Amino acid sequence: KAGVTQTPRYLIKTRGQQVTLSCSPISGHRSVSWYQQTPGQGLQFLFEYFSETQRNKGNFPGRFSGRQFSNSRSEMNVSTLELGDSALYLCASTFGGPGELFFGEGSRLTVL
Amino acid sequence: GENVEQHPSTLSVQEGDSAVIKCTYSDSASNYFPWYKQELGKGPQLIIDIRSNVGEKKDQRIAVTLNKTAKHFSLHITETQPEDSAVYFCAATPSGYSTLTFGKGTMLLVSP
Repeated sequence: KAGVTQTPRYLIKTRGQQVTLSCSPISGHRSVSWYQQTPGQGLQFLFEYFSETQRNKGNFPGRFSGRQFSNSRSEMNVSTLELGDSALYLCASTFGGPGELFFGEGSRLTVL
Repeated sequence: GENVEQHPSTLSVQEGDSAVIKCTYSDSASNYFPWYKQELGKGPQLIIDIRSNVGEKKDQRIAVTLNKTAKHFSLHITETQPEDSAVYFCAATPSGYSTLTFGKGTMLLVSP
């Protein structure tokens, strides 16, 4: 059974640009969550999508957005990149109810 | 919102020793407490979890204890092995299994 797949794995952007990250959940999983991981702040919840609807949202500015498609694949977008957006962005999927979160290996974003 | 404190930030033990990592949480409504292990270059992976109606749970060399009155929970690893070396995160949530609040992590180093 394939795990959670995130693309791209690494990317470099400059300040002011925007970026789109993609996540393919485990087959059958309908919930996709996104987390930002930095050395200083650790793992922080960005948002969760379930059946194409945002179900929960963390405390991040509106520059961070996401969406989910009918096949449960999800994308997150960060606009007007800042240096502080450099981080590992992790996607996790689950069936949608109680149960384990399965994480991907992440997309490492560097903003110069 | 929920706040999770995790100690220690680093822990070095000899192979065969026990390791204990402690976490405290702030929201008395939290009812789900998972522990994740993150190896270098990989996403976090669930190793054990506990729900608020249980005081202790064990899985081979790993155990978790929960004290709801004091709002703290701990991870115990016995007979540590070099492959246990990784970063361990505790987490808590009052509102959904996908919206976890994580501790800052503990880097465990097991020396042969």
